[in-house]
Amino acid sequence: GQSLEQPSEVTAVEGAIVQINCTYQTSGFYGLSWYQQHDGGAPTFLSYNALDGLEETGRFSSFLSRSDSYGYLLLQELQMKDSASYFCAVRDFDYKLSFGAGTTVTVRA
Amino acid sequence: ETGVTQSPTHLIKTRGQQVTLRCSSQSGHNTVSWYQQALGQGPQFIFQYYREEENGRGNFPPRFSGLQFPNYSSELNVNALELDDSALYLCASTGSGNSGNTIYFGEGSWLTVV
Repeated sequence: GQSLEQPSEVTAVEGAIVQINCTYQTSGFYGLSWYQQHDGGAPTFLSYNALDGLEETGRFSSFLSRSDSYGYLLLQELQMKDSASYFCAVRDFDYKLSFGAGTTVTVRA
Repeated sequence: ETGVTQSPTHLIKTRGQQVTLRCSSQSGHNTVSWYQQALGQGPQFIFQYYREEENGRGNFPPRFSGLQFPNYSSELNVNALELDDSALYLCASTGSGNSGNTIYFGEGSWLTVV
């Protein structure tokens, strides 16, 4: 099975940088994905890492270390609209996703 | 806009009833999976279909069943509804090869069991 750990809540001010860590224990690993979910909405794909290193997409970056079973999502230049839940998810070779419990990010003015 | 559409968006059922939820996957995506998301939790994998065959199942009882049709659309059926089945049900569609790295979710169907 899969087990993922991520912090439950993070609060920061507009313009700040937030890092959400994710550690995982898996029986099968193909890659680590990150999703954003606003209240009542669908999870929206943010990034995917299959190899070690940093992937940058605009204000969001994601990092993976397979040897440490660890990844993080970096949110830069925080905006009010970034207030949402963020989930890390391990993808296995059959495209199935196992999600963490989610991190609620609250951005304050 | 992910190209994954689900219906209905909201519904209320009584304990013991049956429900069918529907999903149209993104064009060209032949893999469809279903997830259950209870309030305050991450989505939990129910099962997955590839070319009309179930090819993976999570820890859900047999009263959760599904179908995938030749056009790759899908249904999730839940029999003998229980109060704990109240959740957001999400459909996700996946392409093949490298496009399978991006898994797209629909807006979900909110099910309330009373």
